[in-house]
Amino acid sequence: EAGVTQFPSHSVIEKGQTVTLRCDPISGHDNLYWYRRVMGKEIKFLLHFVKESKQDESGMPNNRFLAERTGGTYSTLKVQPAELEDSGVYFCASSQDRLAGETQYFGPGTRLLVL
Amino acid sequence: AQSVTQLDSQVPVFEEAPVELRCNYSSSVSVYLFWYVQYPNQGLQLLLKYLSGSTLVESINGFEAEFNKSQTSFHLRKPSVHISDTAEYFCAVSKQGAQKLVFGQGTRLTINP
Repeated sequence: EAGVTQFPSHSVIEKGQTVTLRCDPISGHDNLYWYRRVMGKEIKFLLHFVKESKQDESGMPNNRFLAERTGGTYSTLKVQPAELEDSGVYFCASSQDRLAGETQYFGPGTRLLVL
Repeated sequence: AQSVTQLDSQVPVFEEAPVELRCNYSSSVSVYLFWYVQYPNQGLQLLLKYLSGSTLVESINGFEAEFNKSQTSFHLRKPSVHISDTAEYFCAVSKQGAQKLVFGQGTRLTINP
């Protein structure tokens, strides 16, 4: 069974540009999560999809971030325009059920550097 | 709101020595507790979790953690580490009834031969 995949693995862009990150969850997993780790700090929750619906987007930092999950399969996270403080590692995770305590399976992350 | 504190950012130990990675949490409601591990160039993997029942939980590779409600701790231990345990370890909590994870800052475990 394929795990969670993320693309690209690395991205270097200039301040003001747009970047789109993609996440493919494990097949059959209805729940998809985005997290972010800014350099040297803790991993922070961004948002949670159940199928194509946003269940919890309380962690989205501002309106420069747009997450979508059309069709309830893969998800994209767009940052427009990117700022220096957006640099970090963006993790995607998925889980099968909506049960609290359910194991979340993480992808390898996308390393974003904004210059 | 929940918060997690991992008291050590780096822990160096010698191979075959015991290790303890400390984790304390703060929450006004009941939580579930997790340890995730990130090996170099890989994603996070669940190591073990506490949901209910026995306060001592074990992983398949020899790690164990004990939930201590009175001390709000969930420390991770291994009696004898191996070079392959070199990784970054993350403690996390989720509020019972919710899915989102709140992570600590991570502890980088380095094993010296």
